[in-house]
Amino acid sequence: SQELEQSPQSLIVQEGKNLTINCTSSKTLYGLYWYKQKYGEGLIFLMMLQKGGEEKSHEKITAKLDEKKQQSSLHITASQPSHAGIYLCGAVYNNDMRFGAGTRLTVKP
Amino acid sequence: NAGVTQTPKFQVLKTGQSMTLQCAQDMNHEYMSWYRQDPGMGLRLIHYSVGAGITDQGEVPNGYNVSRSTTEDFPLRLLSAAPSQTSVYFCASSIRGPPGSGANVLTFGAGSRLTVL
Repeated sequence: SQELEQSPQSLIVQEGKNLTINCTSSKTLYGLYWYKQKYGEGLIFLMMLQKGGEEKSHEKITAKLDEKKQQSSLHITASQPSHAGIYLCGAVYNNDMRFGAGTRLTVKP
Repeated sequence: NAGVTQTPKFQVLKTGQSMTLQCAQDMNHEYMSWYRQDPGMGLRLIHYSVGAGITDQGEVPNGYNVSRSTTEDFPLRLLSAAPSQTSVYFCASSIRGPPGSGANVLTFGAGSRLTVL
């Protein structure tokens, strides 16, 4: 999607390390979704952020929304091999959902 | 509780052939959509439907047709396949459309990998 840019495109971390993935929108954000895709499979919903400053956590994954910067970050603490996959952010523009190109995360044991 | 079911999982076509990718959901979702996923480009919306009998174009609709005769089914048709349509296709649905409010989250199928030679 041209509206959403993710960085980095790929990330290789050692197990136990922390990491952050960013998602920046070129348009006003009214909500931001994070999904995870395991290799060769469909997308699994992680969490949704709707308000500026909102922060949500699920297990070791925390996502924040900075509405002013039109940006969201996804932070993983003490990464594990089970965190490996492609992380995609999504947002609604003009009544349909668009996605970023994804960040491919590899966790080395 | 099947969720969103896509068939086939894999398909190889020759240029010019036609085929239909099937998508069915058993959650009584009003909104359904088709995306294609290509390396480096993420997911791009092809077509979507906010209810039976209603369809609309997304970001990359050319070369694809859809129909929504029932709430459950949303097939994607390729009338004359081209190598540029080689991709992984995902069907997704949500309770009501379009997604983006409250708990209205998109649920995805497992994907259909299409190769056009």
